[in-house]
Amino acid sequence: SAVISQKPSRDICQRGTSLTIQCQVDSQVTMMFWYRQQPGQSLTLIATANQGSEATYESGFVIDKFPISRPNLTFSTLTVSNMSPEDSSIYLCSVQEHQNTGELFFGEGSRLTVL
Amino acid sequence: DAKTTQPPSMDCAEGRAANLPCNHSTISGNEYVYWYRQIHSQGPQYIIHGLKNNETNEMASLIITEDRKSSTLILPHATLRDTAVYYCIVTYLSVNTDKLIFGTGTRLQVFP
Repeated sequence: SAVISQKPSRDICQRGTSLTIQCQVDSQVTMMFWYRQQPGQSLTLIATANQGSEATYESGFVIDKFPISRPNLTFSTLTVSNMSPEDSSIYLCSVQEHQNTGELFFGEGSRLTVL
Repeated sequence: DAKTTQPPSMDCAEGRAANLPCNHSTISGNEYVYWYRQIHSQGPQYIIHGLKNNETNEMASLIITEDRKSSTLILPHATLRDTAVYYCIVTYLSVNTDKLIFGTGTRLQVFP
């Protein structure tokens, strides 16, 4: 199974700043996704990170707020821009090793607190 | 939107079977049923999935009703480490819709 490393694991940020979260996988994977989990809530899919092209965003999420990069098959970044306290969440990277299996592997998440 | 309905919480005694129900009455013929769990402060973990037939692996069994409108995840001998939020997810598997939408899940508490 894929091993996923996320950085930072946690951070405290000031309102109005931006933070980039990195997701590194130890093997090439077909699909990479970014989820958000607000305190006490379930996971919400932000976007699918597409290798070499623009990410595909879910309803309610836009590129200006959550720019995503995926330069290759093992790495992706999610930036949370112009942060507000409402952005305080755990952000999780997940990957699918083989397309059409539905079996996702998740990183441990990046816990962001915005003051 | 999530297409499943799960009870918000359940309790189970250690060593007993935990049976977690999921209702997916609007499931389509080519949609799969997936189960994940999330132990506190960790990323979700895949458990099992199925289409029509019952499935079993080293972690759990999945029982899908004949009309596919509901399913049950069975942890045969629950341990304290099985305390987690369990998510039932219904999804297509295709090139263009290869993503999982999580619902609210069931919080399973295993007690000694």
